[in-house]
Amino acid sequence: DAGITQSPRHKVTETGTPVTLRCHQTENHRYMYWYRQDPGHGLRLIHYSYGVKDTDKGEVSDGYSVSRSKTEDFLLTLESATSSQTSVYFCAIASGRGGTDTQYFGPGTRLTVL
Amino acid sequence: DAKTTQPNSMESNEEEPVHLPCNHSTISGTDYIHWYRQLPSQGPEYVIHGLTSNVNNRMASLAIAEDRKSSTLILHRATLRDAAVYYCILRDTNFGNEKLTFGTGTRLTIIP
Repeated sequence: DAGITQSPRHKVTETGTPVTLRCHQTENHRYMYWYRQDPGHGLRLIHYSYGVKDTDKGEVSDGYSVSRSKTEDFLLTLESATSSQTSVYFCAIASGRGGTDTQYFGPGTRLTVL
Repeated sequence: DAKTTQPNSMESNEEEPVHLPCNHSTISGTDYIHWYRQLPSQGPEYVIHGLTSNVNNRMASLAIAEDRKSSTLILHRATLRDAAVYYCILRDTNFGNEKLTFGTGTRLTIIP
């Protein structure tokens, strides 16, 4: 199994509070991704990173920011959490981004915003 | 992104082969066909991928139609652990295709 951990695994927070989710990898992969999964929507890309300090937006990036100061860590921040951000968040890593490259996913973080 | 179509759900008996179909009639010549699966309460995991030829690995086989407009994931002998949602995804070989576009997939139920 790819060495990917996510923390926390579960979090309950209140509307308006900041929240940071952490993804940590031990594979030294260049590419890292944050997805969210909601019923009826499958997984949707929030942000991704193609190197230290190099990040870009995905299809559902509003309300989220990311940072990558080290190869192994990719942080997802909800500056002011809203109930619509209640979801399961998955981090993924990949060594490349071409058609033959696979993504390896972490175990997920279940976030509930009250 | 080119779209894929899969049945919402399928059932199979334990220890029997399972054939999971996927239609991708708008596939382009540079699209790879990837399969991922998601076990309950886990992140997705890679299963297999191919371009034109049939592919085998320790988990499954991938049969690709000659016109590439459809493919079939084959689990040769289903176990209870294979109960999951299976996603068929197209991935372009060109750089810049950052995301995996997950549809709703096929929920596979294994009957003991």
